[in-house]
Amino acid sequence: AQSVTQLDSQVPVFEEAPVELRCNYSSSVSVYLFWYVQYPNQGLQLLLKYLSGSTLVKGINGFEAEFNKSQTSFHLRKPSVHISDTAEYFCAVSDSSASKIIFGSGTRLSIRP
Amino acid sequence: NAGVTQTPKFQVLKTGQSMTLQCAQDMNHEYMSWYRQDPGMGLRLIHYSVGAGITDQGEVPNGYNVSRSTTEDFPLRLLSAAPSQTSVYFCASSRLAGAHGGELFFGEGSRLTVL
Repeated sequence: AQSVTQLDSQVPVFEEAPVELRCNYSSSVSVYLFWYVQYPNQGLQLLLKYLSGSTLVKGINGFEAEFNKSQTSFHLRKPSVHISDTAEYFCAVSDSSASKIIFGSGTRLSIRP
Repeated sequence: NAGVTQTPKFQVLKTGQSMTLQCAQDMNHEYMSWYRQDPGMGLRLIHYSVGAGITDQGEVPNGYNVSRSTTEDFPLRLLSAAPSQTSVYFCASSRLAGAHGGELFFGEGSRLTVL
């Protein structure tokens, strides 16, 4: 069965600084990987996804993530964050053998002015 | 564009009461699912459905029932509510099932408190 680990429950950064949110997964088969964002009091929305092909995936709002199969990681990055990026970010995985999407525990990104 | 609609948005129950959380989508999505969100635990999959008449268990199915009689609706039933079921519940749908990398579209959530 697949699982997802987000090592950091909270990440504080200063505005305009770079940020990396870490995600590691475990699965015995080929995986599809996702990052979702949840703004306060809202549902989740998709930031980006990796299905196949290029390991560097670009998403909305200037975010990108890199799929690293050898390290089983899918870290999310942004070169310069804004106050509006304050939200909770969830990594998720599904595999080719099951119709389930499993989420990590989330990372709360807080931006300091 | 309605998307995924959940009702009610807030509900308070007493232990042992039953209730149904409603979820409807107007995007003709085959795949629908229910998650619960608890602090520090992220989203945990309760039940999911890959089409009308087909349902399956997720990570935390105990205490919950689902059915899928139409493509549009996927209600979640709590037969005998317990305080441990206090949570925020999200319904999500996808044109493609998770195995095909489909994007999930989420409702706004239903906040349930069991006293």
